[in-house]
Formats: sequence, C-alpha cells, structure tokens
Amino acid sequence: SQTIHQWPATLVQPVGSPLSLECTVEGTSNPNLYWYRQAAGRGLQLLFYSVGIGQISSEVPQNLSASRPQDRQFILSSKKLLLSDSGFYLCAWSPIAVRGDEQFFGPGTRLTVL
Amino acid sequence: KQEVTQIPAALSVPEGENLVLNCSFTDSAIYNLQWFRQDPGKGLTSLLLIQSSQREQTSGRLNASLDKSSGRSTLYIAASQPGDSATYLCAVENQGGKLIFGQGTELSVKP
Repeated sequence: SQTIHQWPATLVQPVGSPLSLECTVEGTSNPNLYWYRQAAGRGLQLLFYSVGIGQISSEVPQNLSASRPQDRQFILSSKKLLLSDSGFYLCAWSPIAVRGDEQFFGPGTRLTVL
Repeated sequence: KQEVTQIPAALSVPEGENLVLNCSFTDSAIYNLQWFRQDPGKGLTSLLLIQSSQREQTSGRLNASLDKSSGRSTLYIAASQPGDSATYLCAVENQGGKLIFGQGTELSVKP
C-alpha cells in the first residue's frame, strides 16, 4: 500500500531564516506530487505540483520554491521566511497521467514564523 | 476561474441526526469532485470521489451526489456520531488537473 510522509510535523522559525520541508511517498512510482498551504481561516491553496523529477510548476508567485530531486521526494524551500509564510503545509500525491483520480494527502507540517 | 463554495461554514447537530453538507462550483467543466475530512491539526482523509460522469458515490453512512450541470454536490451523513466531528472539504479537479478547494464545513456532533 502507498504511504506519504512529511517532516517535520511542526516548525517554529524566525523571520528571515531558511526553510526546508520534506515529503516522501512509498509504494508507488512516478506519482504526481503537490504542495498545498492552508492558512488560518482560509482554504487550501495549491502552491506547486510536479509530474516528474526536476519538473516543477508554480501556481502562485511567492517566497517559496519546490524541488523534486528523486521520483518520490518533494521538497519545499525558502531562502528567507516571511511572517505570511506561516500556515499548515500539506503534501499530496496522485497516480501520474491519470485524470480524475484521487489525491492522497500527508499528515502536514505546521509552520509558525515569528 | 473556478470557485468552490461550501455552505454552511459550521454546523452543530445532536447525535443520531441525518445531515447534508453542500458544495457548489462555478465551472461545470470538471474531471471529478472529491470530499475530504480534516481533523484539527491533521492532514486530509479522502472520503469519496465522484467522477464527472457519475451521479453519486456511497461509502458506509456517507453518500455524495453530483449534479455537474447545476454545479452542486451534497454529502449526506446518516445517523451522525460524535466521531464524525471534523471539517469537511470538497474539491473539484478542473481541466488543468488541479484541485480547487472550498473553505470547508466545520461539523460538530453533540453526544
């Protein structure tokens, strides 16, 4: 069966510090991978998605970047965090090149920028 | 631009009651609609997926319907239990292959 992991579970960082959140998927190959952010009182917003190694699409202009160094690894980064980067970050995967299939979500990382 | 709206934003019901959560979307050109459950501070758990060609899906006490032409979906929960308390999110997958989420309905089932 497939599982998706995220770490860390929680993170408190000062403004201006760097960020690296990691997501890994087990039990599947060539998944589509997604990063979402859920800010307080707001819905989920798609930040990045990837259909393959090194292939990243950005949905909204922002202070963050994403990378996919391996097939089942997706990393969310920032060089300098802003207060507005606080939120709940969720990674998700779906079978590649399958329209209309489910997305499966990880447990999330709670990021607080002070 | 696809917009997804969920009504009500919050709902409190006594245990045992049947209830309906509503989701509406502005662009009917969707691949599917998915209902999720989110417990506080947790990730999303997929409940039901309805393909654009389907009218409804059932899983246990849950039944989701889809009327693509009118841009509406409902999630019906039968015989609600305190363990059903959570935020319920609906999301549509649009032609670009991305999920667009509603703001969610926060459900509280009182013992």
